[in-house]
Amino acid sequence: ETGVTQTPRHLVMGMTNKKSLKCEQHLGHNAMYWYKQSAKKPLELMFVYSLEERVENNSVPSRFSPECPNSSHLFLHLHTLQPEDSALYLCASSQGGVGRGEKLFFGSGTQLSVL
Amino acid sequence: AQSVTQPDIHITVSEGASLELRCNYSYGATPYLFWYVQSPGQGLQLLLKYFSGDTLVQGIKGFEAEFKRSQSSFNLRKPSVHWSDAAEYFCAVGSRSGGYNKLIFGAGTRLAVHP
Repeated sequence: ETGVTQTPRHLVMGMTNKKSLKCEQHLGHNAMYWYKQSAKKPLELMFVYSLEERVENNSVPSRFSPECPNSSHLFLHLHTLQPEDSALYLCASSQGGVGRGEKLFFGSGTQLSVL
Repeated sequence: AQSVTQPDIHITVSEGASLELRCNYSYGATPYLFWYVQSPGQGLQLLLKYFSGDTLVQGIKGFEAEFKRSQSSFNLRKPSVHWSDAAEYFCAVGSRSGGYNKLIFGAGTRLAVHP
């Protein structure tokens, strides 16, 4: 148990659906991240929030919309996704903000399948 | 550009045998280096990290890694592998680009352990 909880664990959605992924951390950390993990590809950083403010968006398509209402919660809103968006979506947090040497604590991920 | 290369996609070892997972990085400044492990259905867990000082770093679960600046490498080792070590292993470098800090991950090495 890393202290970072993601729900749901699995999600199947059609291309016209709207769904949201949720991440919650009880570690008192200041930064939260969304990563995409596709088969045989390196983890891709999608979004970074530091003290609830978005500090990085790695050119992610607008069909992915993040929300960070407070330092403990992070959402990823999904709409009109494509089959190639099927992947494991990992949430992470770090204590000292977005530092180059920060240790990340990861959740178990949401396995997303887009039909 | 900063990058991390893990040359071996899959490695199979026998239980009790020694293990070495390779990692090469490309980074212009002093690197912050990490090894993470991902068990099936789980998020990533930090094994060890290198920032400075002693080039041989000890981690959890009996793992160690050696930083070799001349070879731009940070290989992970374990003297005797246990069946529970079967997982995917990711090397990462802490990077700063575009005014932001981030972790750049390699594509991972999947370790299988034979009894």
